[in-house]
Amino acid sequence: KNEVEQSPQNLTAQEGEFITINCSYSVGISALHWLQQHPGGGIVSLFMLSSGKKKHGRLIATINIQEKHSSLHITASHPRDSAVYICAVSANTGNQFYFGTGTSLTVIP
Amino acid sequence: NAGVMQNPRHLVRRRGQEARLRCSPMKGHSHVYWYRQLPEEGLKFMVYLQKENIIDESGMPKERFSAEFPKEGPSILRIQQVVRGDSAAYFCASSLTTYEQYFGPGTRLTVT
Repeated sequence: KNEVEQSPQNLTAQEGEFITINCSYSVGISALHWLQQHPGGGIVSLFMLSSGKKKHGRLIATINIQEKHSSLHITASHPRDSAVYICAVSANTGNQFYFGTGTSLTVIP
Repeated sequence: NAGVMQNPRHLVRRRGQEARLRCSPMKGHSHVYWYRQLPEEGLKFMVYLQKENIIDESGMPKERFSAEFPKEGPSILRIQQVVRGDSAAYFCASSLTTYEQYFGPGTRLTVT
């Protein structure tokens, strides 16, 4: 079983829709990260969270430490949001980052 | 402040050749991490280095792979005698602490 599980694996949405991507983890963490990867592209860090909620533009990330769960929301989705979104956690023991397998999002005009 | 730099961005090697991937961390960052992303798979941790020291190499294959982060210059991930299964995207990340990491653009290695 992976330390980080994401759902859904694939998501197709119409432009303007509200999107939610979920992440659950099984290890103790010092922080949770949401990353974005465009096809053939590099990785961009969107958020780092250790509690509560963060907002950046149309993106919102929340974390519930007790339930070991985080969500990434995209409001008013746009085709340029099409990318793979990856959840990752910094374990609070050792030095490792654990990654989810990613959610591939396609937003259709 | 330039971000994490990786070069080359694309690397083609024939089976049996050596591949050298370079990573220049962000200015002031002394922690470097290497990750591999195999086709259709997620990112996997390979190795964590600080200047002149390997801190954790638990994700490195036992043979043919090595990494260094010298006192001066970039971190190097070296793959000897490459095989087709080594074809992947290799990402480097750097950090000031172990919590927040900044990723480079990646090197896409193709072994023919």
